[in-house]
Amino acid sequence: SAVISQKPSRDICQRGTSLTIQCQVDSQVTMMFWYRQQPGQSLTLIATANQGSEATYESGFVIDKFPISRPNLTFSTLTVSNMSPEDSSIYLCSARQGASYEQYFGPGTRLTVT
Amino acid sequence: TQLLEQSPQFLSIQEGENLTVYCNSSSVFSSLQWYRQEPGEGPVLLVTVVTGGEVKKLKRLTFQFGDARKDSSLHITAAQPGDTGLYLCGKGQAGTALIFGKGTTLSVSS
Repeated sequence: SAVISQKPSRDICQRGTSLTIQCQVDSQVTMMFWYRQQPGQSLTLIATANQGSEATYESGFVIDKFPISRPNLTFSTLTVSNMSPEDSSIYLCSARQGASYEQYFGPGTRLTVT
Repeated sequence: TQLLEQSPQFLSIQEGENLTVYCNSSSVFSSLQWYRQEPGEGPVLLVTVVTGGEVKKLKRLTFQFGDARKDSSLHITAAQPGDTGLYLCGKGQAGTALIFGKGTTLSVSS
């Protein structure tokens, strides 16, 4: 299994600003992902973070709004840019090792935009 | 597009009761994962099933994968307040991220 940590755990931000969320995995992983979740609801995939190349975004999510970096096999960042109250959500980092189907999740970052 | 149908969406029961949560898709799964998530935490992996007809048990939880690998169920026997949480099923294909159903919010009262 993989242990995943995220920073910050929560933040309150003003409209129009940007926030960068960090994700650290305790071992090298093949794949890293970012999800968004409204409290009590399911997870929506934002993008796959690719090491050494641009992230792959799902429909409805764009790089200008959610730039992602993945400089190595254990670390990734997600930036939420030019925030609006609609961006208030929980952002979750996830990772998968090798050929395994199993995905592990970080504790999430709870973002509130005022 | 909702690739996974999960039911029921909400379930409120008394301690000691049994319950079943269902996860269905129109397409075949390569694998299916069940997670439980408590408020303020990330989802925690309970089980992975990959073989049609497979049954796995985790204490009072029984997971079943349909023969055609298009559906799965999670059965909890004698539910306890500690079972309260959001239960998620996730559909996996090799090389891609899991896609999740809408989840089942379970509340077990003593």
